Amino acid sequence: DAGVIQSPRHEVTEMGQEVTLRCKPISGHDYLFWYRQTMMRGLELLIYFNNNVPIDDSGMPEDRFSAKMPNASFSTLKIQPSEPRDSAVYFCASRLGGGRNEQFFGPGTRLTVL
Amino acid sequence: QKEVEQDPGPLSVPEGAIVSLNCTYSNSAFQYFMWYRQYSRKGPELLMYTYSSGNKEDGRFTAQVDKSSKYISLFIRDSQPSDSATYLCAMSATGGGNKLTFGTGTQLKVEL
Repeated sequence: DAGVIQSPRHEVTEMGQEVTLRCKPISGHDYLFWYRQTMMRGLELLIYFNNNVPIDDSGMPEDRFSAKMPNASFSTLKIQPSEPRDSAVYFCASRLGGGRNEQFFGPGTRLTVL
Repeated sequence: QKEVEQDPGPLSVPEGAIVSLNCTYSNSAFQYFMWYRQYSRKGPELLMYTYSSGNKEDGRFTAQVDKSSKYISLFIRDSQPSDSATYLCAMSATGGGNKLTFGTGTQLKVEL
């Protein structure tokens, strides 16, 4: 299995531009998670999906952030418009349903907003 | 105050040393406790998983949970340079297994 796949790996953009991050979860996994990691705040859960349905988006910082999961093998996290404080590493993770809480993380997208 | 506190380090030890990494937490509802290892420029990977209190051992790694003190530990025996990474504790409440709360991570360097 290829694991969780994220693209792009690096993104540099200017303030005000739209940014779209992409994720392909591990095949067969029921849950998909989007996290943001910064030095100051660590790893924070933004939103998660179960069977393509958003379950909890309480971690999404503001309306500039949106996430979709149109099918079981693809999800996007969009920031519009982007701001310098959005600079962080964004991780996607997925897991199987059931009791064990093991989440498998992708390699992350390093976003820099100038 | 953060729900999960973790000393950021960096922690530098010689090869072969025993390493102790710790987290404290404030939410008594947490029942599931995990340790993730994150190498530089990589995503976190699950290292240890425990439910409720007690010890769990896996090779050179031992995870301990003391719910009465709201304190968890990860011990690494015979540390190797390949153990150099950032170690993140994570935890979740019963029924809330999808909402992991992470510590900010402790950076460990094992020197030859």
